[in-house]
Amino acid sequence: DTGVSQDPRHKITKRGQNVTFRCDPISEHNRLYWYRQTLGQGPEFLTYFQNEAQLEKSRLLSDRFSAERPKGSFSTLEIQRTEQGDSAMYLCASSPGHHGYTFGSGTRLTVV
Amino acid sequence: AQRVTQPEKLLSVFKGAPVELKCNYSYSGSPELFWYVQYSRQRLQLLLRHISRESIKGFTADLNKGETSFHLKKPFAQEEDSAMYYCALSGNQAGTALIFGKGTTLSVSS
Repeated sequence: DTGVSQDPRHKITKRGQNVTFRCDPISEHNRLYWYRQTLGQGPEFLTYFQNEAQLEKSRLLSDRFSAERPKGSFSTLEIQRTEQGDSAMYLCASSPGHHGYTFGSGTRLTVV
Repeated sequence: AQRVTQPEKLLSVFKGAPVELKCNYSYSGSPELFWYVQYSRQRLQLLLRHISRESIKGFTADLNKGETSFHLKKPFAQEEDSAMYYCALSGNQAGTALIFGKGTTLSVSS
């Protein structure tokens, strides 16, 4: 297990298309987080899972966004009907239960 | 409102000079404070957290509850310290999401 993996690394999509990102956390970590980072900003919290349960969602997560973590392992983040404002780096992090997050390398989304 | 403020976007120092990256926070309760670092082309990684009271790569940070600050300090900067530094806070319940500041770019030149 080499850490948190995110796929794809880069995604370019046309406005209006749907995209899905995947995150594979460290296997023994039961908590998984999604963040979004835009240029000049720090990471902004989107949503959080403990095992398969989605426990918290940010106001940033509009109805076009949905996240899942079936079986409490990998997670997916889907954005429907993408908009140019969705262009950002999407970061995934996992944690064993205390506050030490391990981040993935992120998926950079560009909506054209 | 919960907020982390890093007032400097960029801090440029010479090698060997002292470094202080400022972080102020707003939180109702007792937060946990962290510093994360992102080196060029690498992922975001934890540098230190206040509850550990440790020194990592020569960096220390003291939580000042009166001034609601958690400044990051190093007495003698090295070129390899050049990176983006983010201050972050969370509630003290396990699983609480981190709130990040906008980050400060530290540039150390010889």
